[in-house]
Amino acid sequence: GAVVSQHPSRVICKSGTSVKIECRSLDFQATTMFWYRQFPKQSLMLMATSNEGSKATYEQGVEKDKFLINHASLTLSTLTVTSAHPEDSSFYICSAVRDRGPYEQYFGPGTRLTVT
Amino acid sequence: RKEVEQDPGPFNVPEGATVAFNCTYSNSASQSFFWYRQDCRKEPKLLMSVYSSGNEDGRFTAQLNRASQYISLLIRDSKLSDSATYLCVVTIHSGGYQKVTFGTGTKLQVIP
Repeated sequence: GAVVSQHPSRVICKSGTSVKIECRSLDFQATTMFWYRQFPKQSLMLMATSNEGSKATYEQGVEKDKFLINHASLTLSTLTVTSAHPEDSSFYICSAVRDRGPYEQYFGPGTRLTVT
Repeated sequence: RKEVEQDPGPFNVPEGATVAFNCTYSNSASQSFFWYRQDCRKEPKLLMSVYSSGNEDGRFTAQLNRASQYISLLIRDSKLSDSATYLCVVTIHSGGYQKVTFGTGTKLQVIP
């Protein structure tokens, strides 16, 4: 299957700092990428849809100024958690959708963020 | 009503059993359908796409019923390694953009 990478896989940061997470589709172009968050024993929650060359679309309740998304190329999207707080600690997963049908979505391995 | 609904389970089945999951969706404009599996503390992995004609991959069979707006996943001869959460995913494509909606997942536990 297609490969999507995420970096870093784990990060621990102090409260008030910012963390950038990268999502790359390694063997296909992806106009659309998605960012999800998953808390323990809960389902995936879509945070935002990232479209190459345009502004991201955020889901209700997700602060766009706190979670900055940049989709600079057809293979790279970044999520920056600004001024992180302990409640931002979570598993962040990105996914990329092929530009051509059947539009399967491939997930990165996730980034486990811990804010102390 | 949620856009995509699944029975959360858990489904506890013995090894070798056949188990079926259903997923209903509310938006009739939905175009693409998938089943993913997610193991604990891991990312979801694509299990199979779902086509109107139905498709089979080994022990797994997926069906789509557009008229009733549901998709199903059948697992035959369950293995211990099938224990996971199974996610139903529905996608709409429009003007180069995609709207993807996940079900909350159905947890399967296969017991020896």
